[in-house]
Amino acid sequence: AQSVSQHNHHVILSEAASLELGCNYSYGGTVNLFWYVQYPGQHLQLLLKYFSGDPLVKGIKGFEAEFIKSKFSFNLRKPSVQWSDTAEYFCASSLSGNTPLVFGKGTRLSVIA
Amino acid sequence: EAQVTQNPRYLITVTGKKLTVTCSQNMNHEYMSWYRQDPGLGLRQIYYSMNVEVTDKGDVPEGYKVSRKEKRNFPLILESPSPNQTSLYFCASSLSSRKNTGELFFGEGSRLTVL
Repeated sequence: AQSVSQHNHHVILSEAASLELGCNYSYGGTVNLFWYVQYPGQHLQLLLKYFSGDPLVKGIKGFEAEFIKSKFSFNLRKPSVQWSDTAEYFCASSLSGNTPLVFGKGTRLSVIA
Repeated sequence: EAQVTQNPRYLITVTGKKLTVTCSQNMNHEYMSWYRQDPGLGLRQIYYSMNVEVTDKGDVPEGYKVSRKEKRNFPLILESPSPNQTSLYFCASSLSSRKNTGELFFGEGSRLTVL
């Protein structure tokens, strides 16, 4: 069965530090990959998505993610975090065709001044 | 404004008292889904619907029912709620699962407490 793993449960960073959140997916075929963000008390919003093409995907708010097929990974990065990036981040994947999204358990990011 | 609307946003109820959480989207989306979010467990899918009159179980369907009589509405029904259904519930929709854009639009969430 398809699964998504996020290895970091809680990450604490100082403002201006660089961020990398890990995400690994289990399926070896064609997958679509996503990162969603949930700010405190809010619903999930799409940060970025990868379907095919350039493996380096740029999203909103300065985030980017790199698809590395050989490592089954889709890590999220940001060069310099801000306090407003404090949120929970979810990686998700879906297979081509009629399959629902499968979410990872999420990584909570706390950015401190 | 394009949105997914859930009601109620907050509810405290007692064991066994039937309740319905409504979900409505105004984007003419075919695909709709319900998730529950629990600390340390992330988002788990309860039920989903590919289109009107088509519903399927997700990962944690026990204790829940859904219906999809109209395209815009996808209510979640708890016939006999129990304390382990205390959770934060999200409804989401997507243009089409077949096109597999995967971009889900989420509602604001419904926080349910079952005593």
